[in-house]
Amino acid sequence: QSVLTQPPSLSGTPGQRVSISCSGSTSNIGSNSVTWYKQLPGTAPKLLIYIDNQRPSGVPARFSASKSGTSASLAISGLRSDDEAAYYCAVWDDSLNGLIFGGGTKLTVI
Amino acid sequence: QVQLQESGPGLVKPSQTLSLTCTVSGFSVNNDGHFWGWVRQQPGQGLEWIGHSHNRGGTYYNPSLESRVSISVDTSKNQVSLTVTSVTAADTAIYYCARDWGAFHPPDRWGQGILVTVSS
Repeated sequence: QSVLTQPPSLSGTPGQRVSISCSGSTSNIGSNSVTWYKQLPGTAPKLLIYIDNQRPSGVPARFSASKSGTSASLAISGLRSDDEAAYYCAVWDDSLNGLIFGGGTKLTVI
Repeated sequence: QVQLQESGPGLVKPSQTLSLTCTVSGFSVNNDGHFWGWVRQQPGQGLEWIGHSHNRGGTYYNPSLESRVSISVDTSKNQVSLTVTSVTAADTAIYYCARDWGAFHPPDRWGQGILVTVSS
């Protein structure tokens, strides 16, 4: 069981806005910046968001993220079929002195 | 553009040592601003951080794996290596090489991954 808690699954319809939560503690999200990844089946994770809410070049503005206290969230607006993937949050944990990942959220576009 | 490519045996026997190499192109592992490490993903499971290392020698490991893993950066070959000793079936996973943009930050670049199966 991961130190970072994400909902195992989520679903949405095309065009909808969905939000994926990532719950942690003061030693991780409460102290360090959060990163988000998208992983399609059979491929490596791809960087979506870094330093809590920054998008790398090439990532559409439909993807946004925020953080408050010991929780973070990733929002996807204008949902598309190719958004169907697993999404992971990640952050450094000061107590473990290591990097931790959320358990991942499988997003299904119905 | 930075590219990371993992290589190594796809099959390792139980109790033996798993050794993987990551060849980096388009970027120098000698760059002081980055750490280089490994993440694995067991079949059908989530991501598990193994550890990362800096070209100057600073290294951090997942506490749950620390007694069995070693990561090193070879600046002469622009490569990163991983060894895992005393492997069991639980070490069967896709192993990803990754570039981390600092000691306390997650990866910003990933290799395509290599599947390693532990079986006799």
